[in-house]
Amino acid sequence: KAGVTQTPRYLIKTRGQQVTLSCSPISGHRSVSWYQQTPGQGLQFLFEYFSETQRNKGNFPGRFSGRQFSNSRSEMNVSTLELGDSALYLCASSLRAGEQYFGPGTRLTVT
Amino acid sequence: TQLLEQSPQFLSIQEGENLTVYCNSSSVFSSLQWYRQEPGEGPVLLVTVVTGGEVKKLKRLTFQFGDARKDSSLHITAAQPGDTGLYLCAGAENPLQGGSEKLVFGKGTKLTVNP
Repeated sequence: KAGVTQTPRYLIKTRGQQVTLSCSPISGHRSVSWYQQTPGQGLQFLFEYFSETQRNKGNFPGRFSGRQFSNSRSEMNVSTLELGDSALYLCASSLRAGEQYFGPGTRLTVT
Repeated sequence: TQLLEQSPQFLSIQEGENLTVYCNSSSVFSSLQWYRQEPGEGPVLLVTVVTGGEVKKLKRLTFQFGDARKDSSLHITAAQPGDTGLYLCAGAENPLQGGSEKLVFGKGTKLTVNP
């Protein structure tokens, strides 16, 4: 069974721009969560989607948003990019509680 | 917000040595997961512990969940260079209505096993 895939793997953007990242979960997984990983803060939860609905949200500003499609694929969007948004963005899919499977991540660099 | 403290932050050992990594919190978690992450990749799930006092073994790795479900440890026996990586513990906050589960991660332990 194919794992979680994320596109693109690497991205360079300029301050003020916006970006959209994509995540395809493991087949049959309906829950998709997004995390931001930085050297200083580690992994921090952004939000979780299930059946196209946001079920849970972390403590990030409204510039960070997401959505999920009927095929469970998910996208996250960051608007008005700041230098501090440079990070590895990880997507994880889940079939049941206690098991989250991560993709390889998208490395975003904001200059 | 629940916090998880991992220790040590860095660990460099020789092949064949044993080691223990700790994950502590003042909060109770419904479950605790251990991941290993290699540079440029996403974390890979190693194990999930759910019951207080639970011990799980995965080859040379032994995972333990504290009786009060607030802490956990990972013990590696006879470490090998292939064990090198960032080890992360993650506590699952009590599922919300609808089953949503939010993971709270420790900062990780960066392990280097030298040949």
